[in-house]
Amino acid sequence: GNSVTQMEGPVTLSEEAFLTINCTYTATGYPSLFWYVQYPGEGLQLLLKATKADDKGSNKGFEATYRKETTSFHLEKGSVQVSDSAVYFCALWGSGGSNYKLTFGKGTLLTVNP
Amino acid sequence: DAGITQSPRHKVTETGTPVTLRCHQTENHRYMYWYRQDPGHGLRLIHYSYGVKDTDKGEVSDGYSVSRSKTEDFLLTLESATSSQTSVYFCAISAPGASGRETQYFGPGTRLLVL
Repeated sequence: GNSVTQMEGPVTLSEEAFLTINCTYTATGYPSLFWYVQYPGEGLQLLLKATKADDKGSNKGFEATYRKETTSFHLEKGSVQVSDSAVYFCALWGSGGSNYKLTFGKGTLLTVNP
Repeated sequence: DAGITQSPRHKVTETGTPVTLRCHQTENHRYMYWYRQDPGHGLRLIHYSYGVKDTDKGEVSDGYSVSRSKTEDFLLTLESATSSQTSVYFCAISAPGASGRETQYFGPGTRLLVL
């Protein structure tokens, strides 16, 4: 079945540091890939998505590129802010048959200190 | 923001009692989902619905049932709550179509504690 593996946290950075959160996946066919963000006490919000190989999703300064050759979708941001402190989830939407559902990674807690 | 509300937002109950959580949407989306979120597990799908009275099981459906009698409401019932069902429950919705279904919008969550 499909699976998503993302780097374990927590990740602690200083403001304006560079962020990378690694995400790799296992899936058949051509899944769509997502990053969701969960701020404290809230539900998940879609941060960005990519639906085919080499697509780059971007939003709020975050970027991730769909790399089929390495089955990866790493999240990056050049300069993090305190307000970026949250839990980040990588997810995939499988294609075909019973794979039509979102599969999530376990989440990575990011804390940004001033 | 997608119009999704969940009720109650917090609940404490005792082992063996039935519990019903409600998800209400104002988007008229066809697909609705129930997830649970637990430390170290991310989000896991409990049940989902692809239309009124049309539901199916997810990966962790044991001990849960669902009903959908109206497009806007999706109910999750714990028939006899157990401590292992202590969790945060999220409802999500998505639009029909190949590209619509894959993008899900989440409610604020219900925090359930089973004593």
